[in-house]
Amino acid sequence: AQSVTQLDSQVPVFEEAPVELRCNYSSSVSVYLFWYVQYPNQGLQLLLKYLSGSTLVESINGFEAEFNKSQTSFHLRKPSVNISDTAEYFCAVTSGYGGSQGNLIFGKGTKLSVKP
Amino acid sequence: KAGVTQTPRYLIKTRGQQVTLSCSPISGHRSVSWYQQTPGQGLQFLFEYFSETQRNKGNFPGRFSGRQFSNSRSEMNVSTLELGDSALYLCASSQQGGVTEAFFGQGTRLTVV
Repeated sequence: AQSVTQLDSQVPVFEEAPVELRCNYSSSVSVYLFWYVQYPNQGLQLLLKYLSGSTLVESINGFEAEFNKSQTSFHLRKPSVNISDTAEYFCAVTSGYGGSQGNLIFGKGTKLSVKP
Repeated sequence: KAGVTQTPRYLIKTRGQQVTLSCSPISGHRSVSWYQQTPGQGLQFLFEYFSETQRNKGNFPGRFSGRQFSNSRSEMNVSTLELGDSALYLCASSQQGGVTEAFFGQGTRLTVV
């Protein structure tokens, strides 16, 4: 069975500081990995995904994540955060249907709080 | 292009009642998945429908059911509501097969009293 562990439930950080949100997964088969962001009273928005190829993936708003198969990790990083990055971040995994995401397994989430 | 629409946004129901939630996927998307989000359990997969057929099912009791119509709109039904069913129910749609991206609706907040 697959599982996802997000090691930190809350991460407070000051504006313009770097941040890393940690995610480890467990799976006996090849996986596809995702990071989603959820703002208050909103649904989930896809931030970035790893399907194959380069292990370093980037989003349009400065986040990046690196797939590390040996450590079964997919940590999310940003070199300099903004107040607007305050949200809850979810790591997710799936192995079905070539990444169709019909069945995502989510971590418990990490609340990122950016302080001025 | 319109996004995923979930109705209603908020619901209050009494224990023992049943409830039906609706999800209209993005035009052209044939896969609809449902998730339950609670503070204690986080996000949990309920089921996925593709072309009116249930393709995947999570580990929820039979009180939770769903269906998909020929226009890809989906409904989920919860019968004999329990207090623990209070949650945000999220719907996600995606295109058929392959490597795709799931788009989530804003969710329906169900409160059982």
